[in-house]
Amino acid sequence: AAGVIQSPRHLIKEKRETATLKCYPIPRHDTVYWYQQGPGQDPQFLISFYEKMQSDKGSIPDRFSAQQFSDYHSELNMSSLELGDSALYFCASSLGLQGRNTEAFFGQGTRLTVV
Amino acid sequence: GQNIDQPTEMTATEGAIVQINCTYQTSGFNGLFWYQQHAGEAPTFLSYNVLDGLEEKGRFSSFLSRSKGYSYLLLKELQMKDSASYLCAVPKSGGSYIPTFGRGTSLIVHP
Repeated sequence: AAGVIQSPRHLIKEKRETATLKCYPIPRHDTVYWYQQGPGQDPQFLISFYEKMQSDKGSIPDRFSAQQFSDYHSELNMSSLELGDSALYFCASSLGLQGRNTEAFFGQGTRLTVV
Repeated sequence: GQNIDQPTEMTATEGAIVQINCTYQTSGFNGLFWYQQHAGEAPTFLSYNVLDGLEEKGRFSSFLSRSKGYSYLLLKELQMKDSASYLCAVPKSGGSYIPTFGRGTSLIVHP
């Protein structure tokens, strides 16, 4: 079965550069979530989209922006990168909001290293 | 906001049973999630409880008591591959269903 696909899997950037992470949800899933997980930390919710509209916002820095496109894929744009942005970035998708009958499936993540 | 408390680390023996506890405080309850995460990998959904009681799913069961702000994940017939972090998560405040994760419990299963 198709899963959530994230690209790239690994990314190395220098401070103050920009990065774009991509997420392709499971076919027919209309909801996408972005999480950031630092070393030894729990996943922190950044932002989510439902039907191409932002549905919820977490601890996403102003330097970051995201959108969901007409084909439901999503991109997380990160500018003025800082060393502290080095983390594993997960994307998850679900059909509708998560709950009893709606499970969110996570992608394998993009490991971003800022040097 | 949310406040989630879980033990940091637990160890258990292969074939045994282990119970991972989670206490939470949240404004507006919209259910509780349990996820499993192996090191460097994506979290995997295990369970979602919104009503009090025990829900069983194979070797894994999850229990919820809303009045006590308490949940546990029960793992039976432990296998080496169960060594992972187990994340308790409650939706963020404001009526959302998006999981806000705790620090997780690192479970080490040894022979």
